[in-house]
Amino acid sequence: SQKIEQNSEALNIQEGKTATLTCNYTNYSPAYLQWYRQDPGRGPVFLLLIRENEKEKRKERLKVTFDTTLKQSLFHITASQPADSATYLCALGVISNFGNEKLTFGTGTRLTIIP
Amino acid sequence: DAGVIQSPRHEVTEMGQEVTLRCKPISGHDYLFWYRQTMMRGLELLIYFNNNVPIDDSGMPEDRFSAKMPNASFSTLKIQPSEPRDSAVYFCASSQTTDYTFGSGTRLTVV
Repeated sequence: SQKIEQNSEALNIQEGKTATLTCNYTNYSPAYLQWYRQDPGRGPVFLLLIRENEKEKRKERLKVTFDTTLKQSLFHITASQPADSATYLCALGVISNFGNEKLTFGTGTRLTIIP
Repeated sequence: DAGVIQSPRHEVTEMGQEVTLRCKPISGHDYLFWYRQTMMRGLELLIYFNNNVPIDDSGMPEDRFSAKMPNASFSTLKIQPSEPRDSAVYFCASSQTTDYTFGSGTRLTVV
């Protein structure tokens, strides 16, 4: 069966350290993978996209890697700050039965940065 | 742009009642998606539209759920009759390319 698993429901990291979140998938062949941030009571907000032929993408303090052999993406936040505390969702861009791409989401990891 | 606008923000209704959720996508976005989020199942895609035409409704749980997009600036998701297990946060999202812009969601509670 198809699955998208994020490493843990909750992750606590000391301020200033690097937070690393994991997204593993099975029985998907995604064209791309995205990461979103969700704050309580709000909708997810797009952060980064990485395509299947890309190994790494960076944006300010964020870095994403994508290994299609391992079927895994890693999401890093360097020099973490309390304001980075949120739930982070990975999402796979997959081809639907109707030929269009659609996003399928993991269940998310709740990240807390401890001052 | 004000982003994706959903209404109402909260809805409490009695079992058996009809519920209508509304969404205004970002102008110029060709795709519109309805998702449902629960603690147990996370974000699930219910249905999506391309240029106002429903493309994939395989995620709609039952015939009690229906969605329409009469024009490029408005979509509705209707549940009739509602049941307690429909309680969740319903999100609308729109996109022009690959990244989605989500609304703030409608928290539905069916009692």
